[in-house]
Formats: sequence, structure tokens, C-alpha cells
Amino acid sequence: GQSLEQPSEVTAVEGAIVQINCTYQTSGFYGLSWYQQHDGGAPTFLSYNALDGLEETGRFSSFLSRSDSYGYLLLQELQMKDSASYFCAVIDDYKLSFGAGTTVTVRA
Amino acid sequence: NAGVTQTPKFRILKIGQSMTLQCAQDMNHNYMYWYRQDPGMGLKLIYYSVGAGITDKGEVPNGYNVSRSTTEDFPLRLELAAPSQTSVYFCASSRQGNQETQYFGPGTRLLVL
Repeated sequence: GQSLEQPSEVTAVEGAIVQINCTYQTSGFYGLSWYQQHDGGAPTFLSYNALDGLEETGRFSSFLSRSDSYGYLLLQELQMKDSASYFCAVIDDYKLSFGAGTTVTVRA
Repeated sequence: NAGVTQTPKFRILKIGQSMTLQCAQDMNHNYMYWYRQDPGMGLKLIYYSVGAGITDKGEVPNGYNVSRSTTEDFPLRLELAAPSQTSVYFCASSRQGNQETQYFGPGTRLLVL
């Protein structure tokens, strides 16, 4: 089975940097994805790592260490619109297994 | 290009009733998925399909059934609704099986009383 752990909540001010960690235990592993979900909305894809290292997409970056079964999502220059839930998800075969999500609250 | 569409948006069922949640995609994706999301939780996979005529169970399939007669449609059937099935249901699709990006529909909120 799959097991993913991430913090439940993070609060930060506008302009700050937030790092959301994700550790996982899986029977199979293709890669680690990150999804954003605003309250009442659908999850939307943010980032994906199949290999070790850092992937940068605008203000968001994602990191993976396969040997440590660990990854993180880095949100830079936080904006109010970044207030949302963020989920890490392991791709095993062709299925996604999601963590419970981290609620990010951005304060003015 | 509408992406992934789901109907209805919201439904109230009585215990023991049945219903079908509709899902359609117009991206010609082979892979389709059904998830449920309980309040404050992540998404759990109910069923998935790797192509027309092929379906398989996910993590929480009990109380649900699916069919995939066409590439575009992937309905989810609830038989004998129970309060434990109160949740938000999301349908998703992807072009390839191990592709990182799944595209989600807007969701169906289901309340079973």
C-alpha cells in the first residue's frame, strides 16, 4: 500500500516563502506530483518530479530525493491567491495516491 | 474543448436509493479515474479505467460500480446509498497511464441522509 505524510496546515504572510514537505512509503514509484485545490474547487496539477532534484515552474518549485523517499513543494513570493490546499501524490503504475493535504493560509 | 465534465453538481439521496454520477471527457484520454474526497482529507481512488471496456478497482470500491463503454464516458453507479458515501466525487482523466498530469472535473457533492 501507499502512505504519504505532509503537514496539515501552514500560515505565512504575503511575500514569504513556504516549504511543504512530503514523505512517502510506497510499493512502487514512478514519480511525485503536486496538486493545488482551492476551497470548493477541483485539484489542478502544479508540478512533477520523476528524478532527483529540483524542478522550477515560475514561483513554485518541487524537489525530490528518491533515496530518502522525500519531496517538497516550495512556494515563493506568496500571494493571497495561493491560499489553498496542496497535495502531494505518488504515481504508482498508473494510479495516483494522495496525501491528506496541507492547507496554506496567506495573511496580508 | 470542455475538458472533464461531471453531472450533477449536487445531489441529496435517501438511504437505500441509487444513482449514477456522470463523467465525460473530450480530450481523447484513455485513462479515467473516480475519486472521493471526504472533508479535510485527500482523494481516494474508487475505480479506474485504462480504456473502453476495461475497468479495475481502486482503494475504496465497495458500494460502487463503473462501466466504460466509450472512450469519452465513465459513469459511476451507487447502489443502495449509505451515509458513509456522503462525499465529493471527482472524475479525472489522463492521456497516458503513468503521466504525471491528471485533469479533474469540477466534482459532484453527494449527501446521503
